[in-house]
Amino acid sequence: DAGVIQSPRHEVTEMGQEVTLRCKPISGHNSLFWYRQTMMRGLELLIYFNNNVPIDDSGMPEDRFSAKMPNASFSTLKIQPSEPRDSAVYFCASSLLAVAGNYGYTFGSGTRLTVV
Amino acid sequence: KNEVEQSPQNLTAQEGEFITINCSYSVGISALHWLQQHPGGGIVSLFMLSSGKKKHGRLIATINIQEKHSSLHITASHPRDSAVYICAVGRGGGADGLTFGKGTHLIIQP
Repeated sequence: DAGVIQSPRHEVTEMGQEVTLRCKPISGHNSLFWYRQTMMRGLELLIYFNNNVPIDDSGMPEDRFSAKMPNASFSTLKIQPSEPRDSAVYFCASSLLAVAGNYGYTFGSGTRLTVV
Repeated sequence: KNEVEQSPQNLTAQEGEFITINCSYSVGISALHWLQQHPGGGIVSLFMLSSGKKKHGRLIATINIQEKHSSLHITASHPRDSAVYICAVGRGGGADGLTFGKGTHLIIQP
């Protein structure tokens, strides 16, 4: 398996532009998570999905952020309009939820977003 | 007070030394995770624990549920172990999002 695949690896955009980050989870995993990492705040959960359904989006900072998971193999995180304070590394992770609990996480390589 | 506290924040040691990183948490958890992140790199899951002890190579992770405390040990440390080690907890008994500690920046000098 190629692991969790995120694209792009790096994104530089101007303030006000729309940014779309993409994630392909590991095949067979039924939970998907979006995290953000900054120097100031460390790693934070933004939103997660179980079986393609958003479960908890309380970490999404503002209405400018939205996430979708149209099928089991693809998710997007969109920022519109982007602002300089959105600059961070965004990680996607997936896991397998079973009756006895999950089996650990696999993280993607991250997307480094710079908004200028 | 953060829900997940790690110590130390920074640790520099000589190659071969036994390393211990500590993690305390203040909430009920379903599992505790230890993660590794190399500079500019991705995040690798090292361990997921809900009780007892796990070992993988030179890495050992323990958890004491009653004391809400976990430790990550590295035996015979090597410069390639230099990385940030992050403790994270999952709550709710299922596949829920993680709450992270601030990380421990470990440098192993040759």
